Amino acid sequence: KNQVEQSPQSLIILEGKNCTLQCNYTVSPFSNLRWYKQDTGRGPVSLTIMTFSENTKSNGRYTATLDADTKQSSLHITASQLSDSASYICVVSARSGTYKYIFGTGTRLKVLA
Amino acid sequence: NAGVTQTPKFRILKIGQSMTLQCAQDMNHNYMYWYRQDPGMGLKLIYYSVGAGITDKGEVPNGYNVSRSTTEDFPLRLELAAPSQTSVYFCASSYSVGDTQYFGPGTRLTVL
Repeated sequence: KNQVEQSPQSLIILEGKNCTLQCNYTVSPFSNLRWYKQDTGRGPVSLTIMTFSENTKSNGRYTATLDADTKQSSLHITASQLSDSASYICVVSARSGTYKYIFGTGTRLKVLA
Repeated sequence: NAGVTQTPKFRILKIGQSMTLQCAQDMNHNYMYWYRQDPGMGLKLIYYSVGAGITDKGEVPNGYNVSRSTTEDFPLRLELAAPSQTSVYFCASSYSVGDTQYFGPGTRLTVL
């Protein structure tokens, strides 16, 4: 069964600190993996997309990594800011079928001043 | 370019009432989706459409109906609202299958 699991479920850090969010998946055949940021009361917004051959991709202070062998991805946030407080959702796309998106349940990040 | 728009933003319904949640996109995307998100939970797919005139059920379609008469619009209809349908509803679109999805701002629905 195609599944995406994220950890931790929630995280609290102090402003300026770094953090890493995890995503493990069992999606086959794998096409790509995206990280979305969802601010409270808003729809998710795409941060990064990674295909099978990519190991690392950055978007400002956000760096995503992908290990296709172990089927793991991480999202590293550097020098966190209060505006990073949000839910971060890992979404894996399969390469077959008419609907291809498998969503994780998200990690809720709170950055404190 | 407005992206994906949803109306209304908020709505309170009584049990048994019906309503339509509107969704429109101006990016000429073929694929459109409806999700619901319960508090503290992930997004669950209700229905999706791969083009005008074509719709298909997702994970949780019971109690909902959709139509796709144009590329731009994908309304979600709730018949006989129940408290279990209290949720935040997100519409999304993508150019092609597996592409980045663009989400609307959501509709917060409460059924009392």
